[in-house]
Amino acid sequence: QVQLVQSGSELKKPGASVKVSCKASGYTFTSYAMNWVRQAPGQGLEWMGWINTNTGNPTYAQGFTGRFVFSLDTSVSTAYLQISSLKAEDTAVYYCARVHFGELDFDYWGQGTLVTVSS
Amino acid sequence: SYVLTQPPSVSVAPGKTARITCGGNNIGSKSVHWYQQKPGQAPVLVIYYDSDRPSGIPERFSGSNSGNTATLTISRVEAGDEADYYCQVWDSSSDHSAVFGGGTQLTVL
Repeated sequence: QVQLVQSGSELKKPGASVKVSCKASGYTFTSYAMNWVRQAPGQGLEWMGWINTNTGNPTYAQGFTGRFVFSLDTSVSTAYLQISSLKAEDTAVYYCARVHFGELDFDYWGQGTLVTVSS
Repeated sequence: SYVLTQPPSVSVAPGKTARITCGGNNIGSKSVHWYQQKPGQAPVLVIYYDSDRPSGIPERFSGSNSGNTATLTISRVEAGDEADYYCQVWDSSSDHSAVFGGGTQLTVL
């Protein structure tokens, strides 16, 4: 069955970096784009962008350029989100979600990774 | 950028019908997808392409989309339907970005 399994919660200090992983299984990794979605505490869903799992080319939404980097390791069917120079406002749950190329819906989501930024 | 507007909350008695709206400029020309999110859980796709249901989603969930409003309808509401619901589209006018509505909290009375 399709699974997107994300890495565990992280507690980081301001200015540090964090790397969240999303390991896919149960389907052909390169047949689906991988998206990242942020949810701040008590807030709604915010799309961060996506990465083409065939080419590795990332696309970042407005507001997620500069400190945010999407990457892949296709040998282990895993997508990564790295955030540098962490700020308190980066505290959120980060989800990966797949979209079949040519389709428009996020049909499977990871369980989410809570990143807490606090001194 | 494209904006989707949802009511913050909707309340309904068990067994009744809940309707959650999602407003957007000419949203009827776009494909709308709906997600259910229960507390502490990841979102789950419940309606895609306006009115299709993924396997495993009860027939009680249906969707429509026309003009400036898309609607998620939940018939014979159950206590287990209590959750936040989000609509989503892709905005091709701005670098093809995904856009989510602000979410609607469904309360089963």
